[in-house]
Amino acid sequence: DAGITQSPRHKVTETGTPVTLRCHQTENHRYMYWYRQDPGHGLRLIHYSYGVKDTDKGEVSDGYSVSRSKTEDFLLTLESATSSQTSVYFCAILGGNSYEQYFGPGTRLTVT
Amino acid sequence: QQPVQSPQAVILREGEDAVINCSSSKALYSVHWYRQKHGEAPVFLMILLKGGEQKGHEKISASFNEKKQQSSLYLTASQLSYSGTYFCGTEMGGGSQGNLIFGKGTKLSVKP
Repeated sequence: DAGITQSPRHKVTETGTPVTLRCHQTENHRYMYWYRQDPGHGLRLIHYSYGVKDTDKGEVSDGYSVSRSKTEDFLLTLESATSSQTSVYFCAILGGNSYEQYFGPGTRLTVT
Repeated sequence: QQPVQSPQAVILREGEDAVINCSSSKALYSVHWYRQKHGEAPVFLMILLKGGEQKGHEKISASFNEKKQQSSLYLTASQLSYSGTYFCGTEMGGGSQGNLIFGKGTKLSVKP
């Protein structure tokens, strides 16, 4: 257990509303990631962070923004949610061995 | 750029063996394997590095053919607990900061 929590765990929201998902870790890991998982697509990287205020885009970053103001928190924001963003979102951290990623429990987001 | 996994799904009886393949059209630095049980987060199994080094699960073996850019995961004498979806994640360069591109997954079902 790498001490990763995600909140909320489930959320239903309407199209056009802003949504923020939170990932919290307790072990001061430098690298953090946000993925989305959809049937038939596997896990796809949205954004990642390599330190406080240091973030970069992944392969499916359009429509998402992130922020990391503290080592322990990595926030994912959907500025104006769309139905295509209905998905399960996983946060992950890169462990101390620098190759193993530990995933949080996931957030199931439904955009109606 | 997304690696291709095969087969998409496989059903086994306890004790049978299975091989899951992961192929990339790009030169790879490493291949990572994860397993995800239904409703849970993915869990790291092992990493195979360019040059032959392996790290990870003691009871699961894998290979990495650098010439073919292909990795295979070998599940021998399968147990019920092996059921789940297996994902390979590929890393193009050693300095990619843990950024992985995952395949779409192989669903493994082990029956009694």
